[in-house]
Amino acid sequence: SAVISQKPSRDICQRGTSLTIQCQVDSQVTMMFWYRQQPGQSLTLIATANQGSEATYESGFVIDKFPISRPNLTFSTLTVSNMSPEDSSIYLCSVNSGSSSYEQYFGPGTRLTVT
Amino acid sequence: RKEVEQDPGPFNVPEGATVAFNCTYSNSASQSFFWYRQDCRKEPKLLMSVYSSGNEDGRFTAQLNRASQYISLLIRDSKLSDSATYLCVASTSGTYKYIFGTGTRLKVLA
Repeated sequence: SAVISQKPSRDICQRGTSLTIQCQVDSQVTMMFWYRQQPGQSLTLIATANQGSEATYESGFVIDKFPISRPNLTFSTLTVSNMSPEDSSIYLCSVNSGSSSYEQYFGPGTRLTVT
Repeated sequence: RKEVEQDPGPFNVPEGATVAFNCTYSNSASQSFFWYRQDCRKEPKLLMSVYSSGNEDGRFTAQLNRASQYISLLIRDSKLSDSATYLCVASTSGTYKYIFGTGTRLKVLA
């Protein structure tokens, strides 16, 4: 499976500011995804990052709040904008290699605390 | 009703025991299913994909029951290192969209 890294691994931010999280993969992948895992809860898909086009957002998530870039097949960023304490979560990227399976592999996550 | 439901546990079992988790899904269009393992403060790691015929990997067996819309995970001869949260995932046919269950916590006791 692909090796996935995320930066930063953690951050503490003040409300009203924005944070950009980077996801880097060691090989070209077709599909990249961004998830949120709130404290004590399971993962929720934020959006699918499409290379060369706008991201596809899930219900409850909007581009103004979570802008996403996907400039190439190995890299994506997620920005958490105008943060509030409710945005405190772990943010994870995942990838699918584009093979016939639907398996996804996850990055180590970014632990965000908003004060 | 959540689209993918799991008993949150915790399941506390002695070493060597056999433990089974069930997961139910409500969307009949779900076609692909997975079990992930998540250790505390770590990312989910793929444990098994679940195939229609059921599949086994060492001490782990996964089964799918489409008629009743549930999948199961059986762990035999539990090890201390099996202690983790087990996440059930359903994905709709033709999409890569994952719906996660809330996870089942397992604690294997010495």
